[in-house]
Amino acid sequence: AQTVTQSQPEMSVQEAETVTLSCTYDTSENNYYLFWYKQPPSRQMILVIRQEAYKQQNATENRFSVNFQKAAKSFSLKISDSQLGDTAMYFCAFIGLREKLTFGTGTRLTIIP
Amino acid sequence: GAGVSQSPRYKVAKRGQDVALRCDPISGHVSLFWYQQALGQGPEFLTYFQNEAQLDKSGLPSDRFFAERPEGSVSTLKIQRTQQEDSAVYLCASSTGTAINEKLFFGSGTQLSVL
Repeated sequence: AQTVTQSQPEMSVQEAETVTLSCTYDTSENNYYLFWYKQPPSRQMILVIRQEAYKQQNATENRFSVNFQKAAKSFSLKISDSQLGDTAMYFCAFIGLREKLTFGTGTRLTIIP
Repeated sequence: GAGVSQSPRYKVAKRGQDVALRCDPISGHVSLFWYQQALGQGPEFLTYFQNEAQLDKSGLPSDRFFAERPEGSVSTLKIQRTQQEDSAVYLCASSTGTAINEKLFFGSGTQLSVL
């Protein structure tokens, strides 16, 4: 079974600055997908960004981008021009052809006004 | 509805009581998932439905947990004889199709506290 590791339990950054959240994973599969989900206090998980493992190009969604290093099994999330509404828990997640969606333990991100 | 709806939002149960948690997925969504999220942890898979068929229940922690989706829309997660270790947020998610990379739409969960 694969594992997903988020080594930063908490992070904080000033509004408008850039922050990077780390994620590493372990798998024996070659074809898989990686996700970052945001969970605000409302508890509703919201998809932030998605990356296909077979694509070398890093995914971007407006202020959100990833640094996907397949050989290193690393999948970090960069948030540019951070906003107060970005304050939330962020979960990295993995799914493969033979494995169910697996989440990391999360990083609590606080944007400071 | 516009999104995935779960009820109740909070549930307090005495140890040994049975509880039922409801999930209304987005209309027309084929896939429905249940996850359990313990405090300070990420969600963990419980079970998966494709329409009314329960295709995977490998994540259910014991035979006290039972889920159904009889008409392929609303789903109910039932926990019998609740224990303190069952205290968690139970999240429901749905998606339009069955591909593994489908975007999941989550509800706001039911927070279960077993006293």
